[in-house]
Amino acid sequence: AQTVTQSQPEMSVQEAETVTLSCTYDTSESDYYLFWYKQPPSRQMILVIRQEAYKQQNATENRFSVNFQKAAKSFSLKISDSQLGDAAMYFCAFTTGNQFYFGTGTSLTVIP
Amino acid sequence: KAGVTQTPRYLIKTRGQQVTLSCSPISGHRSVSWYQQTPGQGLQFLFEYFSETQRNKGNFPGRFSGRQFSNSRSEMNVSTLELGDSALYLCASSLRAENTGELFFGEGSRLTVL
Repeated sequence: AQTVTQSQPEMSVQEAETVTLSCTYDTSESDYYLFWYKQPPSRQMILVIRQEAYKQQNATENRFSVNFQKAAKSFSLKISDSQLGDAAMYFCAFTTGNQFYFGTGTSLTVIP
Repeated sequence: KAGVTQTPRYLIKTRGQQVTLSCSPISGHRSVSWYQQTPGQGLQFLFEYFSETQRNKGNFPGRFSGRQFSNSRSEMNVSTLELGDSALYLCASSLRAENTGELFFGEGSRLTVL
């Protein structure tokens, strides 16, 4: 079965600090794609970062980076220099090319 | 370029009724997928359409159905509504046919069943 687990329902971080959101997944496939999506309050979900499983190099998008450990099936998101606008629900997801599988989300609070 | 548009944004129904939700994808996107979002459950996949054909279906009862039109617009229908169907229903479109690229989400339709 394909599953995604986000074990931290809620996280908080001080503005300008760094926070890491955890995600583990389970699949028997060797080729897949991993994503982090951000859902701000009452706003639409947007892509934060995408990682191809066949690439060893961790993806980076400005202040957002991932730590992809394929053997451990772990895909954590690090947010550096946290800003108030980073406050949102964050969803980890993956796809093997058929359907997307999402985690239950982590609600991130940024403390001024 | 217009984003994914979902209508209606909010609706209230009573048990036993049926509801139809609409989704207009980004122009040029032929893949449309639907998700049910509830607190603590995350996003649950309902189904995905590509060029008017259902390609994938999630583990939901037959009361949940959908379709896609030739212009890629999609609708989902829930019949005989239950209290547990109260949720945010999200539609997403994708440019890639092989479902490995970015999903573009609409703002969702929030359904309340009384």
